[in-house]
Amino acid sequence: AQTVTQSQPEMSVQEAETVTLSCTYDTSESNYYLFWYKQPPSRQMILVIRQEAYKQQNATENRFSVNFQKAAKSFSLKISDSQLGDTAMYFCAFIGSGGGADGLTFGKGTHLIIQP
Amino acid sequence: GAGVSQSPRYKVAKRGQDVALRCDPISGHVSLFWYQQALGQGPEFLTYFQNEAQLDKSGLPSDRFFAERPEGSVSTLKIQRTQQEDSAVYLCASSLGFRQANYGYTFGSGTRLTVV
Repeated sequence: AQTVTQSQPEMSVQEAETVTLSCTYDTSESNYYLFWYKQPPSRQMILVIRQEAYKQQNATENRFSVNFQKAAKSFSLKISDSQLGDTAMYFCAFIGSGGGADGLTFGKGTHLIIQP
Repeated sequence: GAGVSQSPRYKVAKRGQDVALRCDPISGHVSLFWYQQALGQGPEFLTYFQNEAQLDKSGLPSDRFFAERPEGSVSTLKIQRTQQEDSAVYLCASSLGFRQANYGYTFGSGTRLTVV
């Protein structure tokens, strides 16, 4: 079974700063997919960024980028030029290459607060 | 529909009551997942449907929990004789197919269940 660990329960930064959220995972699978989801107070989980384990290039989506270190089983999220609307819970998640009948495995989340 | 719709958005139940939570996935989405998210935690897998077939129910915490998707579209999660530990947000997610789950799911906004 896989596990996902987010060691930062809460982080707070000033608007326009850069912030990095940490995530580590454990799996015996060689191919898999990693995700960062954002959950605002509306509760809907919104996909921020996705990384395929067999791709060495780090994924990037506008202000969001990841640092994927497969050997270290680390998958951190960097948010550049942070905005007030980035305030939310952020969850790191894992799924095996087969799609996973048992679905995504999530970490416990990091509450990110962007201060004006 | 354009997104995954869940109802009711909030539900308060007296201990011992039965509740039914509804999920209306994106039209044409084959895969449907239910997750339970306790306060301050990440979502945890409950059950998975592929069309009308329930392929995995290993995450259901007890035999008081029951899920169905009789026509392969709308799904209902039923909790019998609710207990206080059932208080949580129940999230539904769907994807186009089993393999497409690797691209992440589309989540609904969840139902917040409070058992008093």
